[in-house]
Parts: sequence; structure tokens; C-alpha cells
Amino acid sequence: KNEVEQSPQNLTAQEGEFITINCSYSVGISALHWLQQHPGGGIVSLFMLSSGKKKHGRLIATINIQEKHSSLHITASHPRDSAVYICAVPLEHRVRDDKIIFGKGTRLHILP
Amino acid sequence: DAGITQSPRHKVTETGTPVTLRCHQTENHRYMYWYRQDPGHGLRLIHYSYGVKDTDKGEVSDGYSVSRSKTEDFLLTLESATSSQTSVYFCAISQGIGQQYFGPGTRLTVT
Repeated sequence: KNEVEQSPQNLTAQEGEFITINCSYSVGISALHWLQQHPGGGIVSLFMLSSGKKKHGRLIATINIQEKHSSLHITASHPRDSAVYICAVPLEHRVRDDKIIFGKGTRLHILP
Repeated sequence: DAGITQSPRHKVTETGTPVTLRCHQTENHRYMYWYRQDPGHGLRLIHYSYGVKDTDKGEVSDGYSVSRSKTEDFLLTLESATSSQTSVYFCAISQGIGQQYFGPGTRLTVT
């Protein structure tokens, strides 16, 4: 049973297109993380959000706690946005730690 | 970027040999984690630490042990490496409930 589901698994788009990556989860959460993993392997945290919407440059993340769903949008996509985008949710009610469940990632490829 | 380093960055070893991976942080974060990443799987937690000498198992802990004798260092040991442990290993740190910061990863190949 996958507690965090991402879609699509793979996405290829042309430069300039508006990109949407979705994340659905079945566990109770207090916040959700979006991570970016570049082809070189490094993992960078993009957003942590618990409600509403956050924006950073061309990246926008939204979350609907009631529907247990989050989306990551990229406006005016560029080849340098090509990466794997990972959704991650911390488990609620942890006492001693901050354990996180990760989605399998969405591999995005932006063509010039 | 959070100050996290992993060593070695790449290692090739033979089945049955012991291997130790090191994670070092300069952020004084309380929590440290070891994950493995494999094709078709998301990041999976091997072990984590919530303080010096305080560690616990994650979902894929079999065949691995950890130690944390100092706040800044978290060691992952494969007592007798197997081919199924070929993977990319990531260390992460956090202050608690919140953002995790990841190290650059270690690519381990067991032949």
C-alpha cells in the first residue's frame, strides 16, 4: 500500500509549458514537503507547506489538507527544471522523531 | 545549504566485506537519518538517530547497523555487504518536525 502517490511518474514537455505534478497521501499529516533531485543526485528541499499556497520564483506549491492532495506547478518551464520532484509527508503523532514517507518521484524532462 | 558531508562518495566493494559510511554535519541538528534510494522505490529509511547514542530502526534496517557517538557524526555499517545493498545512500538531518536537509549521497556497489 502506497501511502504517498505521485502522478505522473514521468513527464516530458517543451520549454515554456506550464507543468503540474500531483501528490496524494493517505496518512494524517501536519505538513508536506516538495523536494527536487537533480540528475547529479543532490536533493534539495523546495517547499514545506501545511496549508494554502507557497510561491518561490516560477515554482508554486498548493495543498488541500481535507482532500489530502498537493500540487507542484512550474510556470514558464526551462530545461534546467529537468529533475525528479519528490513529495514527502511526515508522519503525525511522532514523539521522538520526524519520520517521513516519500513518494517515488516524478521525473520531469523539459525539451529546449 | 546545510553543512552535511558524506564519505566516501563512491565505493565498490566485494560481497561479504564490511563497509562503513560516514555522515558529518556542522549544523548541530538533533536528528540524523540514513536512507537508501533504489530505482522503483522512493527514499526508504534505514535507521535514524534522535540524539547522541539514541538510534532506532527504519523500515529497511536488516543488514545495517548505526552508531552516533557525537552530535556531528552518524555512521552506517554494513557488517557483511550483499549485492542487494548496492544502492545510493543519503544522509539527512533535521531539527525536529520540519524540513530535512540531505547530504550529497554515497553510491555503493557490492560485486
